Amino acid sequence: GENVEQHPSTLSVQEGDSAVIKCTYSDSASNYFPWYKQELGKGPQLIIDIRSNVGEKKDQRIAVTLNKTAKHFSLHITETQPEDSAVYFCAAKYSGAGSYQLTFGKGTKLSVIP
Amino acid sequence: SAVISQKPSRDICQRGTSLTIQCQVDSQVTMMFWYRQQPGQSLTLIATANQGSEATYESGFVIDKFPISRPNLTFSTLTVSNMSPEDSSIYLCSVDRVNTEAFFGQGTRLTVV
Repeated sequence: GENVEQHPSTLSVQEGDSAVIKCTYSDSASNYFPWYKQELGKGPQLIIDIRSNVGEKKDQRIAVTLNKTAKHFSLHITETQPEDSAVYFCAAKYSGAGSYQLTFGKGTKLSVIP
Repeated sequence: SAVISQKPSRDICQRGTSLTIQCQVDSQVTMMFWYRQQPGQSLTLIATANQGSEATYESGFVIDKFPISRPNLTFSTLTVSNMSPEDSSIYLCSVDRVNTEAFFGQGTRLTVV
């Protein structure tokens, strides 16, 4: 089955700096890679995702890059703000008929220091 | 997107008792999923619930401990049976469609004393 490794487990940055979280996956059949943000006491919220037919996707201060050959993908947050502080999870799955299961990384606790 | 309502949001239960968690979705979905998130940990899939058939359980989870119902395309329940302190976790409901995003409910924070 799929295995997703996520690094680092904790990350502290100064407000305004950038944050990068990296994930690797093992199953070359995986073609969908979402990122979730989980604030304390809440369920995971989808913040951005990327499919295997593109290499990069941006949404305002958030971007995700994908390297299919190396089987890794990364989350980039620019101009970090205190409200970005949360736990971030990457995930991977094969998105196609008959297959739905997401495999999650272990999470990264991001702290943005004002 | 999908709006997912989970009840209860939290509960404190005595060991040996059972708790049923409800998950209601605002639209019809084929697949619903139940996850467990132990304190400070990642999400672990308990089972996949497909309407009209038995749930499919992941390794380490059994139907007697975590019975699931899926009576229609917008609703599911997960029961945590004969609870022990080790069952203290956040339980999350999720929905997914082929080639679309997966969304999560707010979770049920369970404490077993």
